[in-house]
Amino acid sequence: AQSVTQLGSHVSVSEGALVLLRCNYSSSVPPYLFWYVQYPNQGLQLLLKYTSAATLVKGINGFEAEFKKSETSFHLTKPSAHMSDAAEYFCAVTLSGGSYIPTFGRGTSLIVHP
Amino acid sequence: DAGITQSPRHKVTETGTPVTLRCHQTENHRYMYWYRQDPGHGLRLIHYSYGVKDTDKGEVSDGYSVSRSKTEDFLLTLESATSSQTSVYFCAISALEGQTSYNEQFFGPGTRLTVL
Repeated sequence: AQSVTQLGSHVSVSEGALVLLRCNYSSSVPPYLFWYVQYPNQGLQLLLKYTSAATLVKGINGFEAEFKKSETSFHLTKPSAHMSDAAEYFCAVTLSGGSYIPTFGRGTSLIVHP
Repeated sequence: DAGITQSPRHKVTETGTPVTLRCHQTENHRYMYWYRQDPGHGLRLIHYSYGVKDTDKGEVSDGYSVSRSKTEDFLLTLESATSSQTSVYFCAISALEGQTSYNEQFFGPGTRLTVL
């Protein structure tokens, strides 16, 4: 079985500041990990994914995430926040060779102040 | 963008009435899913399908049924709507490629359902 925990239901940053959204996972086998973004009144779209090729993954809009097996983490970062980054962010996990049904975290709302 | 549409986009109905939501894809993906999204709960899987006429329950399937008679369409039915089913419903699709089962999903725009 797998699970995902996103720490902090809301994260508030100033425009230009570092964005850090936290995701920790639990799985018994090597995981595949994803970050999705949801803008207001829209569906989710894939931001980036980890599929064991490289531990540092770069995604769209300047976001990146690093897979750290020792910490069971896959935190999402962006060096400088833009107002347009304000959205809901979801971390998700599936298992290699196991259940292909993703498990989602509860989401983190990113608020960007001018 | 993946070709996924949901209809209707908004619906208001009364308690006890049946409601059917439709998801339509043009990607020919094998897998389709229905989720509901509620504040504080994130996304919760209702039902999913792994092929025509092949469906299975998710974590919150009570009060919901699904059907998939064609690859492109996945219907979600609320047999007798209740106020607790007021939510935003998302359809998603995915295609497992060979032995790679990481299962990236593509989401529809959502249906906002209000049950009075």
